[in-house]
Amino acid sequence: QKEVEQDPGPLSVPEGAIVSLNCTYSNSAFQYFMWYRQYSRKGPELLMYTYSSGNKEDGRFTAQVDKSSKYISLFIRDSQPSDSATYLCAMSEKWSGGSNYKLTFGKGTLLTVNP
Amino acid sequence: NAGVTQTPKFQVLKTGQSMTLQCAQDMNHNSMYWYRQDPGMGLRLIYYSASEGTTDKGEVPNGYNVSRLNKREFSLRLESAAPSQTSVYFCASSGLAGIQETQYFGPGTRLLVL
Repeated sequence: QKEVEQDPGPLSVPEGAIVSLNCTYSNSAFQYFMWYRQYSRKGPELLMYTYSSGNKEDGRFTAQVDKSSKYISLFIRDSQPSDSATYLCAMSEKWSGGSNYKLTFGKGTLLTVNP
Repeated sequence: NAGVTQTPKFQVLKTGQSMTLQCAQDMNHNSMYWYRQDPGMGLRLIYYSASEGTTDKGEVPNGYNVSRLNKREFSLRLESAAPSQTSVYFCASSGLAGIQETQYFGPGTRLLVL
């Protein structure tokens, strides 16, 4: 079983729809949970991060973490064509014996929002 | 403040040729990383450098070498390129985003090995 599983999609929705993106994980050592957005032919950029179980909201975006189920979600409300991108979940744990954090990424979900 | 920059943006190599991918960051971050991204495989860590003067292997280090030249610069070298190294390469550096250390990525280098 891979440490992080993410449905690759592709996912196509009409403008204004609510989008739900999900990842599951198996490693209980993961401490922080992040969502990156990657536009075509660009580098990933950090969208949101969370630490504890529960919800975190930032404008039209809500990140949700359920540590008991090892499941994280990203919701996008009132989706816009400019939201069309690949969304990658990422989870961090400390390197053994060090102070740095290692990130493990999901494979990404390709989202297209149609006008 | 340019963030993380990478050169070149695109490169075509023949099998057996060598090249160095350059990366620089101006955010005063200690840690830097090299990833490759392939369709269906996601981002995979090649090498990382926790601080100036140190480097360590990641998930897929074979066929690559790295140099942490100074705090700003971290280069990735392919000594003898193979078609399996055709990929998009991303450099990243890590720093605090709020309370969590997270990674900031460069724009990528697209490499084609014929």
